[in-house]
Amino acid sequence: DAKTTQPPSMDCAEGRAANLPCNHSTISGNEYVYWYRQIHSQGPQYIIHGLKNNETNEMASLIITEDRKSSTLILPHATLRDTAVYYCIDRTRGGGADGLTFGKGTHLIIQP
Amino acid sequence: KAGVTQTPRYLIKTRGQQVTLSCSPISGHRSVSWYQQTPGQGLQFLFEYFSETQRNKGNFPGRFSGRQFSNSRSEMNVSTLELGDSALYLCASSLVDRFSPLHFGNGTRLTVT
Repeated sequence: DAKTTQPPSMDCAEGRAANLPCNHSTISGNEYVYWYRQIHSQGPQYIIHGLKNNETNEMASLIITEDRKSSTLILPHATLRDTAVYYCIDRTRGGGADGLTFGKGTHLIIQP
Repeated sequence: KAGVTQTPRYLIKTRGQQVTLSCSPISGHRSVSWYQQTPGQGLQFLFEYFSETQRNKGNFPGRFSGRQFSNSRSEMNVSTLELGDSALYLCASSLVDRFSPLHFGNGTRLTVT
């Protein structure tokens, strides 16, 4: 079972910042938080990951709380192409590929 | 840099047949893993290969097998297909580092009739 909790769906207006929350209350000290998204009929796309510091790349920013129990993915200027299911994952079991447990994610809908 | 390539994109088979799916990882990536995605079960880990050796295996029956070649390309095989094997099969590749992000292909949509 997934060890993260996300809202099932969210709406955001095009051009605004989309803030997607995730709770990972059982995360341990050496587990990273990963974010992926999946657009219908495509494979999951890697977005960003982090351990305890905030991270930013060309796609998004990741804010991790000090106690590491939750995080927020921020898409600074959402576009219609950002409509997708977003998955927050804590990478478990030694970090191998088997440690990626995808839950049900958040279906983000960008409204024109 | 080219992404992960999976072939074929779509496949229709009948029960009892077998199928082979192919995956070409991103250049330089040596780890390849396979996942099954269905609406009911979500994304489930099948197995992971590194340097032509299976490193991890998920909880799937022995009908599901795979292999990796010296150029890191990978194939997975499903024998004696069942209706429940209908799914999107995803391949992902990553660098050697244990926390390197996995990069996924767009999958092979298998339909078993």
